[in-house]
Amino acid sequence: DQQVKQNSPSLSVQEGRISILNCDYTNSMFDYFLWYKKYPAEGPTFLISISSIKDKNEDGRFTVFLNKSAKHLSLHIVPSQPGDSAVYFCAASAGNYGQNFVFGPGTRLSVLP
Amino acid sequence: DVKVTQSSRYLVKRTGEKVFLECVQDMDHENMFWYRQDPGLGLRLIYFSYDVKMKEKGDIPEGYSVSREKKERFSLILESASTNQTSMYLCASSLLWESSYNEQFFGPGTRLTVL
Repeated sequence: DQQVKQNSPSLSVQEGRISILNCDYTNSMFDYFLWYKKYPAEGPTFLISISSIKDKNEDGRFTVFLNKSAKHLSLHIVPSQPGDSAVYFCAASAGNYGQNFVFGPGTRLSVLP
Repeated sequence: DVKVTQSSRYLVKRTGEKVFLECVQDMDHENMFWYRQDPGLGLRLIYFSYDVKMKEKGDIPEGYSVSREKKERFSLILESASTNQTSMYLCASSLLWESSYNEQFFGPGTRLTVL
């Protein structure tokens, strides 16, 4: 059973609008979350992270929200740009600054010009 | 800039062959990881290493082994390749700071096809 779920395999958004990518997790021990972006034929690259002591982290156009009670996090991209078209992976790690992350299956975002 | 390189971008092997996938990082990272990426399953951890000659099993180690003789190099070995090992293989590295989380830096991946 997957501990990190991304229930939308794909998402299409118009350029300039908001993209919202969702991630749900089942392990209540997870306390650190990351988002990675992956272009075709490249490895994933780190985008943004959030610790469980926060409910929001912002970096430019990217904001991650964490709802611990719902075991849910989301990535908001505003405004969306065609260059944001990629696969986005949510990842989580459990306590003691564990070095391992559990990855979700990914959501393919297409930003249409 | 952290750089993680993988020896091949594409590899085609036959069932039963021994396959070596090599990964090198140039940032003196302690941790190194091997994942496989399959559609609908995301990245699944095969093995990781937090020091030279140290290795730990990940979630799906069956059919694989690893070697870390030098800090910068982490090899994934398929002793006898099978068709269900056809996949994208990704190597990653990260620092080992025991007081904070550290993101992983990924190589470009090796797409392995086993016929």
